Amino acid sequence: AQSVSQHNHHVILSEAASLELGCNYSYGGTVNLFWYVQYPGQHLQLLLKYFSGDPLVKGIKGFEAEFIKSKFSFNLRKPSVQWSDTAEYFCAVNANFGNEKLTFGTGTRLTIIP
Amino acid sequence: DSGVTQTPKHLITATGQRVTLRCSPRSGDLSVYWYQQSLDQGLQFLIQYYNGEERAKGNILERFSAQQFPDLHSELNLSSLELGDSALYFCASSVDTTGPYEQYFGPGTRLTVT
Repeated sequence: AQSVSQHNHHVILSEAASLELGCNYSYGGTVNLFWYVQYPGQHLQLLLKYFSGDPLVKGIKGFEAEFIKSKFSFNLRKPSVQWSDTAEYFCAVNANFGNEKLTFGTGTRLTIIP
Repeated sequence: DSGVTQTPKHLITATGQRVTLRCSPRSGDLSVYWYQQSLDQGLQFLIQYYNGEERAKGNILERFSAQQFPDLHSELNLSSLELGDSALYFCASSVDTTGPYEQYFGPGTRLTVT
């Protein structure tokens, strides 16, 4: 069975600080990897995704993530955060052989202090 | 706006009652997924339909059922409701099974059982 671990439950940063949120997954086969963001009171929005190819993927709003297969990791990064990045961030994985259910991590709440 | 619509936005009901949540996928999407988001369980996959047929089941209680209609909209039926069923229920859709493709999430239905 797939599982996803997000070790940072709540991260507090000042504006302009750099961000890295950890995500590790457990699955024996090839996976698709996703980061979703949930702004307060809103639905999940896709930030970025990795299916194959270049392990460094760029998403919306200046976010990027790097897939490191040997570490089963897909960490999310942003060089300089803004107050508007305050949200909950979810890492998710599904098996890379069709459209399978997403398995989500527990989420990381990011609070940006102006 | 993801293109996935869900109604109602909020639902307040009493224990023992039955409710129906509705989801319309993005135009052209054949797969519909239902997820439950609660404080203690996080985001959990419930069930998936593809082109009218049940495709996968997750942690869905026997009191819950779903279906996908010929026009591809889906309904999630929750019966004999308990306090613990209070949660945010998300619907997501994706285009096909010969993916991989990302899932697009609707705004959710917030269910409160009193």
